[in-house]
Amino acid sequence: AQSVTQLDSQVPVFEEAPVELRCNYSSSVSVYLFWYVQYPNQGLQLLLKYLSGSTLVKGINGFEAEFNKSQTSFHLRKPSVHISDTAEYFCAVRRNSGNTPLVFGKGTRLSVIA
Amino acid sequence: GAVVSQHPSRVICKSGTSVKIECRSLDFQATTMFWYRQFPKQSLMLMATSNEGSKATYEQGVEKDKFLINHASLTLSTLTVTSAHPEDSSFYICSARDFRAGDETQYFGPGTRLLVL
Repeated sequence: AQSVTQLDSQVPVFEEAPVELRCNYSSSVSVYLFWYVQYPNQGLQLLLKYLSGSTLVKGINGFEAEFNKSQTSFHLRKPSVHISDTAEYFCAVRRNSGNTPLVFGKGTRLSVIA
Repeated sequence: GAVVSQHPSRVICKSGTSVKIECRSLDFQATTMFWYRQFPKQSLMLMATSNEGSKATYEQGVEKDKFLINHASLTLSTLTVTSAHPEDSSFYICSARDFRAGDETQYFGPGTRLLVL
């Protein structure tokens, strides 16, 4: 089975500052990794995903994440945040074979302060 | 990109009534659909997985007779909350994936807010 730990439940950051949202996973098999964003009262929107290849993955809205297999991490970063980035961010994992569902972390609330 | 719609976006019903939520994939074939439940300020809890034309597989602790899932076509899945009670009030989100096309991404609908009075 897979599990995801998002180490920070809330991250406040000033506008135009950099941010890193941490995600660690646990799995006995190879996995795919995802970051989703959820705005209030909405569904989830895919930010980026790691399937294979380059460990640095670039996504939408200026976000990127780096897959680190040795540290079993997939931290999300953005060099300069905007007020509009205020949202809930979910890290998710699933095994890289078969038709299995995503397993989600508990989420990190990013609050961007003007 | 792939779009998933849900209807209704919010519903208020009386205790004891049944509520049906529709989930549609608009521009791809959803060979697999997932239903999640989300409580305020919490993560998504998987309720069930359904493959088109097959019976849904429910997660442990989810009552299959209470949460009826139908996935009769490649673009539509429905979740019916039968005899709803206040404790069923929640945010329900569906997700879809085209497994046969080799797409590894799950796409999410906008969610349905259910309030049972």
